Amino acid sequence: SQQGEEDPQALSIQEGENATMNCSYKTSINNLQWYRQNSGRGLVHLILIRSNEREKHSGRLRVTLDTSKKSSSLLITASRAADTASYFCATDAMDTGRRALTFGSGTRLQVQP
Amino acid sequence: NAGVTQTPKFQVLKTGQSMTLQCAQDMNHEYMSWYRQDPGMGLRLIHYSVGAGITDQGEVPNGYNVSRSTTEDFPLRLLSAAPSQTSVYFCASSYAGGDTEAFFGQGTRLTVV
Repeated sequence: SQQGEEDPQALSIQEGENATMNCSYKTSINNLQWYRQNSGRGLVHLILIRSNEREKHSGRLRVTLDTSKKSSSLLITASRAADTASYFCATDAMDTGRRALTFGSGTRLQVQP
Repeated sequence: NAGVTQTPKFQVLKTGQSMTLQCAQDMNHEYMSWYRQDPGMGLRLIHYSVGAGITDQGEVPNGYNVSRSTTEDFPLRLLSAAPSQTSVYFCASSYAGGDTEAFFGQGTRLTVV
């Protein structure tokens, strides 16, 4: 089963607006990562936040992590049409013993020009 | 620096045929993994490797074999293709498993008829 679940599954906004995507996970983690996937392409890493961090910024991206609620959010500010993509959260779940990431099902973001 | 290279990009197989999906990375990463992506399912881990000579099963390993004879290469073998294996396959590599960002190949779109 998926460790992370994104919400919403799909999001459509106008250029210039902010986009917020949420991720919930089930077990304790060392870190949580966000990835972006353009249609028909591989995933590209956006940002990594460790379990002892609460907030992290990278350009127009802001990620928060609440380990007590087992949730994270990705905020994209001042969105652009080029931000249209699917966004996935990924965790290295401590309970599986696997040294590999477990991905959620993703949020499809459409930014209308 | 090519990153992670997957071949082929597209493949059509008949049920029962076997084939090998190739994955190579030139970043000297110890960790490599294979995922499959189905519509609405996100990425699911098939097999992964923490170094040459070491492989382990992921979430959905049945019907697939892997080996890791060198640091650079991590091929995925389909032993007897089934329609349920129709999917997009992604190979990823990273420096330290789930603790660092993963780099993904562009994917192999496999159709089993």
